[in-house]
Amino acid sequence: DVKVTQSSRYLVKRTGEKVFLECVQDMDHENMFWYRQDPGLGLRLIYFSYDVKMKEKGDIPEGYSVSREKKERFSLILESASTNQTSMYLCASSPGTSLWFFGPGTRLTVL
Amino acid sequence: AQSVTQLGSHVSVSEGALVLLRCNYSSSVPPYLFWYVQYPNQGLQLLLKYTSAATLVKGINGFEAEFKKSETSFHLTKPSAHMSDAAEYFCAVSGWGNNRLAFGKGNQVVVIP
Repeated sequence: DVKVTQSSRYLVKRTGEKVFLECVQDMDHENMFWYRQDPGLGLRLIYFSYDVKMKEKGDIPEGYSVSREKKERFSLILESASTNQTSMYLCASSPGTSLWFFGPGTRLTVL
Repeated sequence: AQSVTQLGSHVSVSEGALVLLRCNYSSSVPPYLFWYVQYPNQGLQLLLKYTSAATLVKGINGFEAEFKKSETSFHLTKPSAHMSDAAEYFCAVSGWGNNRLAFGKGNQVVVIP
């Protein structure tokens, strides 16, 4: 089974802290994605990566950055966390255009 | 670019009644279409997907969806709702040669006994 794992299920941080959310996939997929999920807004794409060291902005990249140093790992970085970044964050990986695998999500609370 | 419209954020259905969730999409290339379900405090689970084969797609738990190109729709149905169908449902679209997956805003389904 393809596995997408995220480093934490729940995370509580303070305003202004630097936050790292880690995602690892074990199936050698080229593409990896970060989404945030908010009630009534569905899932919105923050950033994605189609290769090591490559990244593209999604629909809501403001306040976030990403890092992909190895193929299996894709990190989402909040340089200075703010309360409006309190959300559920979902990582996904994909070998192509018709198959996606999602992680369990990290529920981040910024106080 | 691709986008999805799901109307009616909350949908109430009686147990045993038809479940119908509407999804309309926009895509500049032939689309791949998906329905996902998310049960409370769980991750996303794929219900079914359309990838240009049969237009009527059968999924898990008795759900099915029909791709209608002329209507740019991919509505999800289940003939008889069960209490265990209470969950949030998301329609999503990607396209040939495009590796981005765009989601609708979701439908929260409540099943009334």
